[in-house]
Amino acid sequence: AQSVTQPDIHITVSEGASLELRCNYSYGATPYLFWYVQSPGQGLQLLLKYFSGDTLVQGIKGFEAEFKRSQSSFNLRKPSVHWSDAAEYFCAVGAVNAGKSTFGDGTTLTVKP
Amino acid sequence: DAMVIQNPRYQVTQFGKPVTLSCSQTLNHNVMYWYQQKSSQAPKLLFHYYDKDFNNEADTPDNFQSRRPNTSFCFLDIRSPGLGDAAMYLCATRPRGGDNSPLHFGNGTRLTVT
Repeated sequence: AQSVTQPDIHITVSEGASLELRCNYSYGATPYLFWYVQSPGQGLQLLLKYFSGDTLVQGIKGFEAEFKRSQSSFNLRKPSVHWSDAAEYFCAVGAVNAGKSTFGDGTTLTVKP
Repeated sequence: DAMVIQNPRYQVTQFGKPVTLSCSQTLNHNVMYWYQQKSSQAPKLLFHYYDKDFNNEADTPDNFQSRRPNTSFCFLDIRSPGLGDAAMYLCATRPRGGDNSPLHFGNGTRLTVT
């Protein structure tokens, strides 16, 4: 069965500082991997995805993520965080031919002025 | 803009009183999902439709039912809500054959049970 672990429940960074949110997955084959962001009271919005090719993927809002098969990781990064990035971030893995995604428990990002 | 719309945004119901949440989409996606999300937790899949084919998750309580009368609409019925059913309910869609496609989410319905 597929699973996703986000080790950090809550992260606080200063505005302008760099950010890395960790995601580890468990899946028997090459996974489809996604990062979503959720602002309070809103649905989830896709930041970026990976399913093949270049292991460094670029997303919206200046985010990027790197797929590392050897570490079963798909960490999300941003070089300079903005106050508007404060939100909850979910990593998800999608199963081939199952059409279902499994989500991690999320990481809440707080941005200090 | 093509989108997924959930109504209402906030719903209050009484313990044991049936409630229906609705979802509509203009994306013409074949697959529609209902997720339950409790505070500070991951969205939990309740069930999904692949066109008209209904797929229930093994651990979804019988109290939760769903209807999809056409491609555009999907409903979540909670027959006898308990206090533990208070949560955000998220509808999402995906195109057919799009395992590598992201989910498109609505803004959710926040359900309160009194």
